[in-house]
Amino acid sequence: QQPVQSPQAVILREGEDAVINCSSSKALYSVHWYRQKHGEAPVFLMILLKGGEQKGHEKISASFNEKKQQSSLYLTASQLSYSGTYFCGTEMWTSYGKLTFGQGTILTVHP
Amino acid sequence: GAGVSQSPRYKVAKRGQDVALRCDPISGHVSLFWYQQALGQGPEFLTYFQNEAQLDKSGLPSDRFFAERPEGSVSTLKIQRTQQEDSAVYLCASSLLRVTRYYEQYFGPGTRLTVT
Repeated sequence: QQPVQSPQAVILREGEDAVINCSSSKALYSVHWYRQKHGEAPVFLMILLKGGEQKGHEKISASFNEKKQQSSLYLTASQLSYSGTYFCGTEMWTSYGKLTFGQGTILTVHP
Repeated sequence: GAGVSQSPRYKVAKRGQDVALRCDPISGHVSLFWYQQALGQGPEFLTYFQNEAQLDKSGLPSDRFFAERPEGSVSTLKIQRTQQEDSAVYLCASSLLRVTRYYEQYFGPGTRLTVT
């Protein structure tokens, strides 16, 4: 079951903050966040595991609410380079290694 | 160090032709994944290898799709008798051996397949 991301698109000015949400109807083991620029490969941002472990880039923060099966990605003091499409990928206990990606959130940062 | 590479980057095939897409994972990465990405959508899982073993092929859309990784490194995704609905970007990703479920996938740039 594909996770649902919100919002579908965000437009920011440099320095503004944004939150991108990812919600699943299934019990999750982990949530992965990636950013993809047009025509390029998705780039890893963050992993959050059930139980509270997380691993990712220093300037990125995220949360994982295990009870609600929701994750949020927090982008603070946005820069032009943050523009791109953000995807969450969810992994269930029963699907070892298999990520199901959301439809993406398009983030545009203007000067 | 080199990242994940894929070839060709672009492929145009006439309907009914067979195509082969290649993925070179990062050296030492045991796990390899194939995804299909339609325009404006997220990547959709196709299949997963650990070394040469194909552990999950539940995402392959039909028996026209076949993937292999015979020596546990390079992988090939083959599509037989291509159809227009096969047009998409095919992404390959690799990751380190998973002692725990705490890993990230490194993606290649993809192969854009257009079936005419």
